[in-house]
Amino acid sequence: AQSVSQHNHHVILSEAASLELGCNYSYGGTVNLFWYVQYPGQHLQLLLKYFSGDPLVKGIKGFEAEFIKSKFSFNLRKPSVQWSDTAEYFCAVNAHGNNRLAFGKGNQVVVIP
Amino acid sequence: GAGVSQSPSNKVTEKGKDVELRCDPISGHTALYWYRQSLGQGLEFLIYFQGNSAPDKSGLPSDRFSAERTGGSVSTLTIQRTQQEDSAVYLCASSTLGDTEAFFGQGTRLTVV
Repeated sequence: AQSVSQHNHHVILSEAASLELGCNYSYGGTVNLFWYVQYPGQHLQLLLKYFSGDPLVKGIKGFEAEFIKSKFSFNLRKPSVQWSDTAEYFCAVNAHGNNRLAFGKGNQVVVIP
Repeated sequence: GAGVSQSPSNKVTEKGKDVELRCDPISGHTALYWYRQSLGQGLEFLIYFQGNSAPDKSGLPSDRFSAERTGGSVSTLTIQRTQQEDSAVYLCASSTLGDTEAFFGQGTRLTVV
């Protein structure tokens, strides 16, 4: 079964700083990759996803992620964060043909105005 | 409805009692998932329903946990003889066949006292 690792569970940074959250997965086959975000008091929502094609994926709110197959990674980035980006971010993966999503433990990101 | 609906939103129960949590998926979504979210633990997969196929129950933590999905739509997660360690937010998600983006509900916060 696939598993997902996220590091630096708590991240605190100032507005306008750049953000990068690491995500590594363990699965040898073809995968779909996701980043979900959970803003305070809200439900999980999709930030971006990768199924195939261009490994650099653009998502909502200026986020992007890059799939590097050789490193089994799907890191999330944003060049300049805003206070409203304060949230918990989850990386998730599933194998092609298997809808079961495996999630990482999440990154709690706090942006200080 | 427009999104995944879960009820109740909050549930406080006494240790040893049984509880039922309900999930109404997005109309037409054939896949339905239950996850458990505990503080600092990310999302733990519980069970997955896909159409008329046998559910993937491999994530259920004990035989006190069970779930059913009636008519391919509404799902109920039942926890028998609740324990304090069952306290968590229980999340339901649904997706369409062939589209592995999962849409999440707001969750049910279960507190066992």
